[in-house]
Amino acid sequence: AQSVTQLGSHVSVSEGALVLLRCNYSSSVPPYLFWYVQYPNQGLQLLLKYTSAATLVKGINGFEAEFKKSETSFHLTKPSAHMSDAAEYFCAVSEFKNSGYSTLTFGKGTMLLVSP
Amino acid sequence: ETGVTQSPTHLIKTRGQQVTLRCSSQSGHNTVSWYQQALGQGPQFIFQYYREEENGRGNFPPRFSGLQFPNYSSELNVNALELDDSALYLCASSLAGQGTGTFGSGTRLTVV
Repeated sequence: AQSVTQLGSHVSVSEGALVLLRCNYSSSVPPYLFWYVQYPNQGLQLLLKYTSAATLVKGINGFEAEFKKSETSFHLTKPSAHMSDAAEYFCAVSEFKNSGYSTLTFGKGTMLLVSP
Repeated sequence: ETGVTQSPTHLIKTRGQQVTLRCSSQSGHNTVSWYQQALGQGPQFIFQYYREEENGRGNFPPRFSGLQFPNYSSELNVNALELDDSALYLCASSLAGQGTGTFGSGTRLTVV
C-alpha cells in the first residue's frame, strides 16, 4: 500500500519568508501526487498535482512543488508567505486499485502558521 | 458549473443512533468518494461509488454504508454510532479513474 509522510505537524514562518512543507511518499509504481489546502471548518482545495509530466509543478496562490523520484519527495514551496496562507496543508498520493478504482491516501497534514 | 454540496454542515447524534449524510456531486462527475477526517488527522478513504454501485472500500466496518443515485448524488449511512465516529466527513466527486476529485465542505458529525 502507498503511504505519505509529512514532516512537521506545525511550521511557523514570518510574513514574506520562504514556505517549505515537506512530503515523502512510498509507492511501488509511478505516483500521482497532490497538495491540498484546508482552511478552518472547510473542505479541501486542490493546490497542485503531479501526473508524470513536468517534475516542477506550479499551482494556485504562488505555490509550487517539485517531484524528486530519487528522494521520493514532493515538497511544497512558496517564495514569500502571506498571512492568508495560514491553513492546514495535506499531501496525498493517488492509488489505483486492481479492481479499477482510484483513491487518495493522505498524510497527516502540516499546519502553516504565518506571523506578521 | 456547481461544485460539490454536502448536507447538513453540522449535526450531533447520540451513541447508538443512525445518521445519514448527503452529497451532491459536481455537474458532469459520475463518481463519488467519501472520506472520514478525525481531528488532527488526514482524511481516510471510506468507500467509492460509481454507476450506483460500491466499487471500492477502505478499512471501515459494514455499519458504514452508502448509496449513489441516478443523478450521481450520494448518501453515507452510519449505523450504531460510536464516539470515535465523531469526525468531519468529506465527499469528493470526480470522473471515473481520475485519481483526484472536487471536495465538498464536509459534514461535522459529533457523537455524544
